[in-house]
Amino acid sequence: GAVVSQHPSWVICKSGTSVKIECRSLDFQATTMFWYRQFPKQSLMLMATSNEGSKATYEQGVEKDKFLINHASLTLSTLTVTSAHPEDSSFYICSAREDVRTNQPQHFGDGTRLSIL
Amino acid sequence: QKEVEQDPGPLSVPEGAIVSLNCTYSNSAFQYFMWYRQYSRKGPELLMYTYSSGNKEDGRFTAQVDKSSKYISLFIRDSQPSDSATYLCAMKRGNNRLAFGKGNQVVVIP
Repeated sequence: GAVVSQHPSWVICKSGTSVKIECRSLDFQATTMFWYRQFPKQSLMLMATSNEGSKATYEQGVEKDKFLINHASLTLSTLTVTSAHPEDSSFYICSAREDVRTNQPQHFGDGTRLSIL
Repeated sequence: QKEVEQDPGPLSVPEGAIVSLNCTYSNSAFQYFMWYRQYSRKGPELLMYTYSSGNKEDGRFTAQVDKSSKYISLFIRDSQPSDSATYLCAMKRGNNRLAFGKGNQVVVIP
């Protein structure tokens, strides 16, 4: 149980393109999903917390107009990197938590490798 | 001082050895403790989850929590080459965000 699916797994695109990444909880409902960014050989950096039916909460230093988050249903959150540039190249990972009991751990997707040329 | 300290230095062990990983933390309010395994180019996979002091065992994995010393450990018995990965400790207080360690790269040599 507690499977989180992330799509696509790898994206290569030109500078200036907008890229959408999907995160789905497959076998549970997730009121809350999280978006992380990870640089090589470093730990995960929380970018934003996505709440179903409301605006996402962004961490300090993360541009909300650059990284658009939509959490329209209890099983789907999307992250759109708008007008992506080479410095946005990174590994983006989502996670979701079952909210029946809030002390449940987060389960992670397999990440999306984004390469901007 | 960071909330969670984890020595990221790579750890190489021969197959069959016991792997011992540790994290220390400064926030005594942390209640829930997790260990994640992350293979290269993959997302973290939950290995162990606990919220009380003491040991929790699952197959070859044992998680240990010492709240009085603010110290958690993960032990992997009879290590296999397939255990080669980065291991991340994580912890949280209630409904709050996860605080991660830097991760430990483990290499099990056949």
